[in-house]
Amino acid sequence: SQKIEQNSEALNIQEGKTATLTCNYTNYSPAYLQWYRQDPGRGPVFLLLIRENEKEKRKERLKVTFDTTLKQSLFHITASQPADSATYLCALRMDSSYKLIFGSGTRLLVRP
Amino acid sequence: GAVVSQHPSRVICKSGTSVKIECRSLDFQATTMFWYRQFPKKSLMLMATSNEGSKATYEQGVEKDKFLINHASLTLSTLTVTSAHPEDSSFYICSARVGGVTNEQFFGPGTRLTVL
Repeated sequence: SQKIEQNSEALNIQEGKTATLTCNYTNYSPAYLQWYRQDPGRGPVFLLLIRENEKEKRKERLKVTFDTTLKQSLFHITASQPADSATYLCALRMDSSYKLIFGSGTRLLVRP
Repeated sequence: GAVVSQHPSRVICKSGTSVKIECRSLDFQATTMFWYRQFPKKSLMLMATSNEGSKATYEQGVEKDKFLINHASLTLSTLTVTSAHPEDSSFYICSARVGGVTNEQFFGPGTRLTVL
């Protein structure tokens, strides 16, 4: 079965730096890969979606890359701010169903 | 953007009782809603897929008689935890799929269930 690995160690960076989070998966590549933000005690908030035939997607300070050879997606936040501190989840949609498989998330802490 | 609400946000109940959680899409119609469960510092685990007007599809290992799902309209799905036990205590989150080609799901704020 598909497994998704996100770095369970929290990422601690200085404000203004670029945060890079990693999502690795096993088996075959998903049709879509999505990134969500989750704050404590809240539901996930959709950030970006990238298709399997796309290599990069940007939205404001966010950038997602998708490498089907490496079976990896990278999520970047440039010019990071303390307000970006949260847990970031990657999720894969594998097939024609609309079900998502989530990684366990990486906690990001941006220090002022 | 699409807004999904959940009610209640927090509930405490006694062991053996049943609890109903509502999930509503406020500004769009959702033919498909999903129910997830999340333990502390863990990933969201899909419990079931709820389609309007039909029976829910449960993931392997999820007891359908324990977690009753009803999707009576295009804007409302309910999850009822029957005969709740302390091990059912968790964070329950619903999502609603916006129609179209992409799989953009919008999530509710979650419901914290504590069973004493």
